[in-house]
Amino acid sequence: NAGVTQTPKFRILKIGQSMTLQCTQDMNHNYMYWYRQDPGMGLKLIYYSVGAGITDKGEVPNGYNVSRSTTEDFPLRLELAAPSQTSVYFCASSYSGQGARYTEAFFGQGTRLTVV
Amino acid sequence: GIQVEQSPPDLILQEGANSTLRCNFSDSVNNLQWFHQNPWGQLINLFYIPSGTKQNGRLSATTVATERYSLLYISSSQTTDSGVYFCAVRRNYGGATNKLIFGTGTLLAVQP
Repeated sequence: NAGVTQTPKFRILKIGQSMTLQCTQDMNHNYMYWYRQDPGMGLKLIYYSVGAGITDKGEVPNGYNVSRSTTEDFPLRLELAAPSQTSVYFCASSYSGQGARYTEAFFGQGTRLTVV
Repeated sequence: GIQVEQSPPDLILQEGANSTLRCNFSDSVNNLQWFHQNPWGQLINLFYIPSGTKQNGRLSATTVATERYSLLYISSSQTTDSGVYFCAVRRNYGGATNKLIFGTGTLLAVQP
């Protein structure tokens, strides 16, 4: 099973450029999340989604946008890259529903982004 | 929002030693997970443990939800146990139940 797949694994951006970090999961999970992890720090929630067409802000949403048009995909968009967005980005998914209120979350391998 | 504090922040062990990591949270939760982030940055699921005790090999975990803490036990530590250990929780009520919030982490170094 692929689980949660993130692309790309590494990327260098110039200030002001834009890019989309891709995340897809094949576990039919309804919940999906984007986190960022700065060096030596914990994970901070950027955005999350409880199902297709529904997204909401996390702890650090500024400078990012998301969409959820399908159950499988949850892309994260950076419109105007800034050095402060240099970080490792993790996507995760989990399930919540009848018979399984909240299941464990599974994480992708991360995208290491550097903005110069 | 909910606060999740882990202790100790750093820990150095000799191979073969045992250790206990703690996760305290400030509000009622319905979901708690322990993760190991290895030196390559991968997040590995260790336990999904909103309450009770679970064991997996040399690792075990206990969550006492009513007292708002969880413990991760590592026995006979090995160098491959090195990395950062995170707990993550989901609040028990309201809109915040949709968010999985991470703790501050414990950095573990196991020396040969």
